[in-house]
Parts: sequence; C-alpha cells; structure tokens
Amino acid sequence: QVQLVESGGGVVQPGGSLGLSCSASGFTFRDYAMHWVRQAPGKGLEWVAFIRYDGSNKYYADSVKGRFTISRDSSKNTLYLQMNSLRAEDTAVYYCARDLGYCSGGNCHNVFDIWGQGTMVTVSS
Amino acid sequence: DIQMTQSPSSLSASVGDRVTITCRASQSIGNFLNWYQQKPGKAPKLLIYAASNLQSGVPSRFSGSGSGADFTLTISSLQPEDFATYYCQQSNSAPLTFGGGTKVEIK
Repeated sequence: QVQLVESGGGVVQPGGSLGLSCSASGFTFRDYAMHWVRQAPGKGLEWVAFIRYDGSNKYYADSVKGRFTISRDSSKNTLYLQMNSLRAEDTAVYYCARDLGYCSGGNCHNVFDIWGQGTMVTVSS
Repeated sequence: DIQMTQSPSSLSASVGDRVTITCRASQSIGNFLNWYQQKPGKAPKLLIYAASNLQSGVPSRFSGSGSGADFTLTISSLQPEDFATYYCQQSNSAPLTFGGGTKVEIK
C-alpha cells in the first residue's frame, strides 16, 4: 500500500543539527513532488518545505530558510530534511507528505494527499 | 503571506447534526483551497481538494464549496468518527498556509 515512514527524530540541543528521512513505498516516488509539514505540541499545522519531483526546485518557509535543506534520492525512494542551527521553536512533530499533483486549467495545486505518521523533534538543553 | 482564518475555532455537535466550518483567506485564492481532518495523535487526512473535489475514499457526507476568499466545509450528518480537528490550507501562493483549525467535539 501507499506509505510514507519518517525517521530520525529525537532530542537535540539549541544550535544543533538533525537529519530526518522519509521512506516511500507503494507508489512511483520519482513522479511526485514532496513536502515537509510540522506541528508544534498542541498547535496547528505549518508547511516547512517543498521539493519538485525531479529535485529541480525547492521552496522553504521563511522560518526555516537558510537553516533547513530538503533533498531527495529517488534511487532510494527517500526524502530528507537536514535541519541546522535548531531553535526551541523548531520543536514539533515533522510529517512528510506527498503532493497529489492535481492540475486543472493549466494551474497546479499543492495538495497533501498522503502523510507519514510523523517523527518528533525536540530542541532543548 | 496569505492568512487563513477558520471559524469557529471549536464547536459542539451531536451525531446526525449538519456541521458547517468556514475558512476565509486574506486575499482571493480562486479555488486553491484544501481541507484536512486530524484526529489526536494521528497525521492529517485529506478530505477535499481544489475547494470542492472529494478525495477518493472520503464519505460523501463531506462536501466543500466556495471560491475567491470564502470557503465552507460541510458535514451533512455528523458521525461518531467525525469528531476531530479540521484544517483548511491554501495553495494559491507560497508559503503554503493553514487555518488555525476547528475542533469538532461531542455535545
């Protein structure tokens, strides 16, 4: 079945680094754009980063720009998020999500149709 | 950035009730609006995309409407499994943004 499984979460000190992975299965990973979305404890959802299906374009939320890097390895069916200079406000559950790839009338929509189960990142001393 | 405002932030309803959640964008976003359901401790689930398209496998009691800046998610007859938090999300322009959520609780 179509599935995304995140890994790599944990506890890290402020200013530290952490790398997350998202393993995809059940679909042709290289055909889909992907996203990272996070959710701080007890809070709402925040989009973090996007990567095009072929890795040629990447976009980031202002809150993580310059500190986080999204990447993918389609030979391994894996999406990554490298997080540097971590802050307390980066504490959250991090979800990877597939982009549905819905386009209509020449316009393409960014829709999160498949989500992983999430991995918790805690930034604390 | 486009701000998404949901109302109400929470509501209490009974099984069988018709429930309506609204989402307003800070500027016109056409039909670039999606709805998600999230249950405690679980990942969000896509319900509606492009304002009114029902995602495959989602019960037909869920429907979405609207365009421009004002959108609505309607649950025609609330079921026990529908008690959850609902989020809208715009994809008209980056950064992609979500509403603050509407928690649907049991009356």
